[in-house]
Amino acid sequence: RKEVEQDPGPFNVPEGATVAFNCTYSNSASQSFFWYRQDCRKEPKLLMSVYSSGNEDGRFTAQLNRASQYISLLIRDSKLSDSATYLCVVNSANSGYALNFGKGTSLLVTP
Amino acid sequence: NAGVTQTPKFQVLKTGQSMTLQCAQDMNHNSMYWYRQDPGMGLRLIYYSASEGTTDKGEVPNGYNVSRLNKREFSLRLESAAPSQTSVYFCASRGGQDGGTEAFFGQGTRLTVV
Repeated sequence: RKEVEQDPGPFNVPEGATVAFNCTYSNSASQSFFWYRQDCRKEPKLLMSVYSSGNEDGRFTAQLNRASQYISLLIRDSKLSDSATYLCVVNSANSGYALNFGKGTSLLVTP
Repeated sequence: NAGVTQTPKFQVLKTGQSMTLQCAQDMNHNSMYWYRQDPGMGLRLIYYSASEGTTDKGEVPNGYNVSRLNKREFSLRLESAAPSQTSVYFCASRGGQDGGTEAFFGQGTRLTVV
């Protein structure tokens, strides 16, 4: 079983829609949590860190539930430019804090 | 700002050939990583170096070797390339000691083994 699981999608939504991505992780010793964004044929880039209390950055809201080992990302008022693959990322001290990636969720925002 | 630089960007190898992928970062980061990305598989860790002078295996190390040449550079070597090593390879680095910091990625090396 992969350490980080995501629904691969694809999610096809119209502009202006709200979309939510979910992610579960298996290692209870995981310490840090992130959402990365990857555009086609590009490198992953940090979208936002995920904090225990939940955090918001503009149209993006991330939540963490340590008891359920569950992370979410909510995107409000979707833009065409939000089309990308969203990667759930978790790390722990076990492997030098190397990032463990989910397979990614593909989002396509249509006009 | 250079960040993380990988070379080459593209490479075609014949089965059995060897090559070294180069990675350098200019952010004074302690930790460096090599990942491969295959369709439907996501990014998988090949090797990592938590600090200068140390290297450790990740999830898929077979067929690869690494060298942490100094704090800036972390190279990945394929001694005898196989078609199964056709992939996109990403190098990454991060600073800090507690894992809570952002990782920065190079632009990737697209490797095809024929």
